Amino acid sequence: DAGVTQSPTHLIKTRGQQVTLRCSPKSGHDTVSWYQQALGQGPQFIFQYYEEEERQRGNFPDRFSGHQFPNYSSELNVNALLLGDSALYLCASSLGGGGTEAFFGQGTRLTVV
Amino acid sequence: AQKITQTQPGMFVQEKEAVTLDCTYDTSDQSYGLFWYKQPSSGEMIFLIYQGSYDEQNATEGRYSLNFQKARKSANLVISASQLGDSAMYFCAMREGLRSYQLTFGKGTKLSVIP
Repeated sequence: DAGVTQSPTHLIKTRGQQVTLRCSPKSGHDTVSWYQQALGQGPQFIFQYYEEEERQRGNFPDRFSGHQFPNYSSELNVNALLLGDSALYLCASSLGGGGTEAFFGQGTRLTVV
Repeated sequence: AQKITQTQPGMFVQEKEAVTLDCTYDTSDQSYGLFWYKQPSSGEMIFLIYQGSYDEQNATEGRYSLNFQKARKSANLVISASQLGDSAMYFCAMREGLRSYQLTFGKGTKLSVIP
C-alpha cells in the first residue's frame, strides 16, 4: 500500500520564478493538505483541498495556490518566489479532512537562490 | 499567544530508559484533537499517537503513551524503553474545533538517544 508520495524531492529555483510541487495521497484518502516547514520550525498550514476545492486556508499570500485532481492528487504552485520561500513543503493526506490521523509524505525541499 | 508550546528544544535519554516530552496547548474550543509526530532527518512526518479532548483514557500506541491533563492543558508524550532509532525531532500538534481541518504545530523537541 503506497503511502503519500511527493515529487520532486529536491528543487532549486531562482528568485522570481514559479514552482509546482506534486502530491499523491495515500490509497483511499480523498483530502490533501499542504504545509510549509522552515528550517528549525514546526510545519505551518498552507491550505487543504477536498472534493477538488480549497476548503481551508492558512495565513499565506495569494502567491500560493493549489489544485486537486479527480484522482485526489494535488499540486502546490508558488509564484514570484522569494528567498523566504525556501523550506520543506509537506503534503498530508486524510479521509474527509478530519479524523484522528493524517499521513505525511517525505516532503519537497525547495531552495530559492 | 502560542497555541502549542514545546519548551524543550533538545533532550537526551539513555537507551532503554523512558523519556517524557512536554507539550502545552491553548484553545478555547471544547472539541479538539492532539497529535504527536516524529520527524527523522529524512524529513517525513510519522504519526505516533492521537488524543481527543473528550477521550477519558490516555492514548497508548505500543511504546508511546500520551499523558493528557485537560485542566492543565498539557499533552506530554512518554516514550518507554528508548531505542537508538527514536532519535529524531518530535512535534506536538492540535486540531481545534469541529470545523477546522488544519494542524497547528509546536516548534518541536530534538530527542537524542545515547547508547
